[in-house]
Amino acid sequence: GAVVSQHPSWVICKSGTSVKIECRSLDFQATTMFWYRQFPKQSLMLMATSNEGSKATYEQGVEKDKFLINHASLTLSTLTVTSAHPEDSSFYICSARGLAEVGNTQYFGPGTRLTVL
Amino acid sequence: AQSVTQPDIHITVSEGASLELRCNYSYGATPYLFWYVQSPGQGLQLLLKYFSGDTLVQGIKGFEAEFKRSQSSFNLRKPSVHWSDAAEYFCAVGFYGGSQGNLIFGKGTKLSVKP
Repeated sequence: GAVVSQHPSWVICKSGTSVKIECRSLDFQATTMFWYRQFPKQSLMLMATSNEGSKATYEQGVEKDKFLINHASLTLSTLTVTSAHPEDSSFYICSARGLAEVGNTQYFGPGTRLTVL
Repeated sequence: AQSVTQPDIHITVSEGASLELRCNYSYGATPYLFWYVQSPGQGLQLLLKYFSGDTLVQGIKGFEAEFKRSQSSFNLRKPSVHWSDAAEYFCAVGFYGGSQGNLIFGKGTKLSVKP
């Protein structure tokens, strides 16, 4: 149980284009989903927290107009990187927390490798 | 401010040897405590977690961790390491009353296993 998927697993795009990444909780309902960014050989950096049906809360320094987050249902959240540039190249990981989850336990997706040319 | 420290950036052990990965946190009360493992190019997998009760918790893949309140530590252990355990290990803490349920992660410890 507690499986989270991400799609796509990797994507290459041209500078200036937009990319959408999907995060799905497959066998549970996720009231809260989190989006992280991870640079090579570094820890996870929380970008934003999204609750189903409401606006995402962004961490300081994260551009909300560049990283659009939508959490339209209890099983799906999307991250859209708008007008992507090479510096947006990174590994993006989502996680989900269940409706009845105790203690802030988060279950992570497999990640999406974004390369912007 | 809350923080999580993993003092060891990289550890190398021989296959079959025991393992202990250190984690210390800074917080005024007992937090929720987690260990996650990440294989290269993959997401994070939950190994184990502690909320309350017995301070020695068992996880998957033969791992265990012990919460020591007096030392603000939550060290991860495994009695006999397998080559497949080579990965990055992250300690994380969550805090009571956090409205968003955020986790704070340590910087990670990379485990290498010698044959």
